[in-house]
Amino acid sequence: AQTVTQSQPEMSVQEAETVTLSCTYDTSESDYYLFWYKQPPSRQMILVIRQEAYKQQNATENRFSVNFQKAAKSFSLKISDSQLGDAAMYFCAYRSVGGTYKYIFGTGTRLKVLA
Amino acid sequence: DTGVSQNPRHKITKRGQNVTFRCDPISEHNRLYWYRQTLGQGPEFLTYFQNEAQLEKSRLLSDRFSAERPKGSFSTLEIQRTEQGDSAMYLCAIFTGGQAFTGELFFGEGSRLTVL
Repeated sequence: AQTVTQSQPEMSVQEAETVTLSCTYDTSESDYYLFWYKQPPSRQMILVIRQEAYKQQNATENRFSVNFQKAAKSFSLKISDSQLGDAAMYFCAYRSVGGTYKYIFGTGTRLKVLA
Repeated sequence: DTGVSQNPRHKITKRGQNVTFRCDPISEHNRLYWYRQTLGQGPEFLTYFQNEAQLEKSRLLSDRFSAERPKGSFSTLEIQRTEQGDSAMYLCAIFTGGQAFTGELFFGEGSRLTVL
């Protein structure tokens, strides 16, 4: 069975600075997808960024980028030029290529952005 | 158009009562999921529907839980004889997009259950 681990319960970053959130996963599959989701307080979860495991190139979405290390089974999220609106819970998630498309989530990292 | 409406948004009930949550996707989506999220944890998979067929259930879904998706549109999640441990946010999600690599899991705002 696949597992996703986020070892940082909480992180803080100064506004306009850069922060990196860590995620590791375990799987025996060779192809899969990885995601970062953001959950603002009392708001719905929204997709931040995705990565296909077969792609060597790290995904980027504006100020958000990932560092995908397949051999190490590591998938970190870097947020550049942090903004107050980035404050939220961030969840790393794994999904197999086939089957039910069930997502497996980590326990999350609470990001605080300091003005 | 993508959207998932969940009702009620918050339910407070006494232990032993039954509760039902409803999930209404705005448009037709084949794949629908229920997740449970407790405080400080990530969402945990409960069950999956493809159209009206319930194809997978987590071991978390005890016999007090039942989910349906009649006609493959809206879905309901019923919890019978609620226990304090059932207190959580119940999230409904749909898979958008026809292709596995381009689709994504889109969540509703959730239904928060508090069992006293």
